[in-house]
Amino acid sequence: GAGVSQSPSNKVTEKGKDVELRCDPISGHTALYWYRQSLGQGLEFLIYFQGNSAPDKSGLPSDRFSAERTGGSVSTLTIQRTQQEDSAVYLCASRLPYLGDSYNEQFFGPGTRLTVL
Amino acid sequence: AQSVTQLGSHVSVSEGALVLLRCNYSSSVPPYLFWYVQYPNQGLQLLLKYTTGATLVKGINGFEAEFKKSETSFHLTKPSAHMSDAAEYFCAVSFFGNEKLTFGTGTRLTIIP
Repeated sequence: GAGVSQSPSNKVTEKGKDVELRCDPISGHTALYWYRQSLGQGLEFLIYFQGNSAPDKSGLPSDRFSAERTGGSVSTLTIQRTQQEDSAVYLCASRLPYLGDSYNEQFFGPGTRLTVL
Repeated sequence: AQSVTQLGSHVSVSEGALVLLRCNYSSSVPPYLFWYVQYPNQGLQLLLKYTTGATLVKGINGFEAEFKKSETSFHLTKPSAHMSDAAEYFCAVSFFGNEKLTFGTGTRLTIIP
């Protein structure tokens, strides 16, 4: 079946511009996560959605970062006024509702590589 | 707070040799532990996980890991390395009630022909 998809795969933007990154989770997956992978910081959690609500936004690095999820499916991560330090790979993951031994088994998409010039 | 330490950012083994990638965790509550693999320009793929029950867990591609509470470790092993195992490996920890995965810094595995 189809996995988690993300678009675009690559995004090059100029400092100060806004960008939107999209994530399509696996059908039926109720939870969705955003992570960031960068050379200096490794893999960092950004935000978690359960349905359309975001109970944990603790990883968003600044108020320039926001995310939403609609229809319990697609999510968009928006970075306003991008800075060079925002350059990273942004990974999305999703998981099924908790059943049996599937606790927190997250399935990752291929990521969006963001380069801020 | 929970954390993960992966010893060795780079590990090289000969083809056919034992693979051992080390992971130690810190958690004040029972942990859930995961190993993920990342091939170049791809996302993360789950290799195996420990939640409860049997402490020796088997995953895909011949990998296995053993949860040792007394040593706070969850080392990844494979008896015989294959060229296709060359990738970056991440250990991660979570616990019940906290949705996020906390990752180690990763270990890049190189297989020597």
